[in-house]
Amino acid sequence: ETGVTQSPTHLIKTRGQQVTLRCSSQSGHNTVSWYQQALGQGPQFIFQYYREEENGRGNFPPRFSGLQFPNYSSELNVNALELDDSALYLCASSLGGKAFFGQGTRLTVV
Amino acid sequence: AQSVTQLDSQVPVFEEAPVELRCNYSSSVSVYLFWYVQYPNQGLQLLLKYLSGSTLVESINGFEAEFNKSQTSFHLRKPSVHISDTAEYFCAVENYGGSQGNLIFGKGTKLSVKP
Repeated sequence: ETGVTQSPTHLIKTRGQQVTLRCSSQSGHNTVSWYQQALGQGPQFIFQYYREEENGRGNFPPRFSGLQFPNYSSELNVNALELDDSALYLCASSLGGKAFFGQGTRLTVV
Repeated sequence: AQSVTQLDSQVPVFEEAPVELRCNYSSSVSVYLFWYVQYPNQGLQLLLKYLSGSTLVESINGFEAEFNKSQTSFHLRKPSVHISDTAEYFCAVENYGGSQGNLIFGKGTKLSVKP
């Protein structure tokens, strides 16, 4: 049990649609990172938020955006979904040099 | 740019046999090193990490990894595996002094332990 909860666990969307994925972190974890894990691949860093500000971004287009809220929850938004966006999306909150991962949201784009 | 290479995509092994999962990294700066484990349909769990100090780090379930700076490696070993060790293992690096949570992962190694 990592204390990091993601919702929903599974989601099916149509190409071109928009999606919002949610993550709830432990109290006090003011850094949250999002990763995309395509089938058969390792997780790839999307971006990180620290105290509600974006604090680093990986090689993902602007249609991937995020928000972090004062209550340690966060969102990943993806616009104009493409088939290649199908993946497991993981969020991780950090404290004391350790990242705690949620179980992920599996997004399927059809 | 940093990168992580896990040399074996799949490692089948019999129960109670030793195992080594290989990881090499490339970076122009000092890094922290991690091994994560992912069981089916679950997120990632930290197995062990190297931040500084002793180059040999151990986990509570018998795994160990040794940081070798000259060979830029961080191989994971266990002297005797159990069926329950069947999972996918990911090696990761993070910039020394980085913002925490910005991890670069390898593609993973699937460990399959057979009876």
